[in-house]
Amino acid sequence: GAGVSQSPSNKVTEKGKDVELRCDPISGHTALYWYRQSLGQGLEFLIYFQGNSAPDKSGLPSDRFSAERTGGSVSTLTIQRTQQEDSAVYLCASSSSGGRETQYFGPGTRLLVL
Amino acid sequence: GDSVTQMEGPVTLSEEAFLTINCTYTATGYPSLFWYVQYPGEGLQLLLKATKADDKGSNKGFEATYRKETTSFHLEKGSVQVSDSAVYFCALNAGGSNYKLTFGKGTLLTVNP
Repeated sequence: GAGVSQSPSNKVTEKGKDVELRCDPISGHTALYWYRQSLGQGLEFLIYFQGNSAPDKSGLPSDRFSAERTGGSVSTLTIQRTQQEDSAVYLCASSSSGGRETQYFGPGTRLLVL
Repeated sequence: GDSVTQMEGPVTLSEEAFLTINCTYTATGYPSLFWYVQYPGEGLQLLLKATKADDKGSNKGFEATYRKETTSFHLEKGSVQVSDSAVYFCALNAGGSNYKLTFGKGTLLTVNP
């Protein structure tokens, strides 16, 4: 089907508020990834899902970050009590079955925390 | 841990010039290697990839060869166009527990007419 989609495309929030970012992977892709792109840190891995399970959450920067995936499809990344250093572009990618296969990226959600 | 080092830009070229962007990597095992491109205001797009030593990836006139002996995956194009202006990222996937991509810091390419 269509490519990876993400919403919203832009989000402005106040420090301390919670935000939810959504990712719709390519239909049929079982593996889903979240990355963060910021000026200072470049592109960083956050979390990987295989189906609905997240075998590795080591990239999440703090316990304010969480993610879930339901029905083996849509994923939500939640940031609680946002801080200014959370400002970044959050990218979602999917691949057909994980492993070393090509990951296809969505357009990203640009988050600005004031 | 795994890492990717690519030449820092910005790189500015005239149209039809030859392009090389260097990329070297450190990884355990035998990673897959990728070049992604990010055009202004857009997301990351796969440009090309190679999955084993001596493989050559190619797309849109760009090429890169997986060199295990020098742990390199340099990107080349014989004649760049203005439309090639973008940020280019070298990346590897070494497998492991999370199959994450490890990226270089990106190289901004500007091609002038």
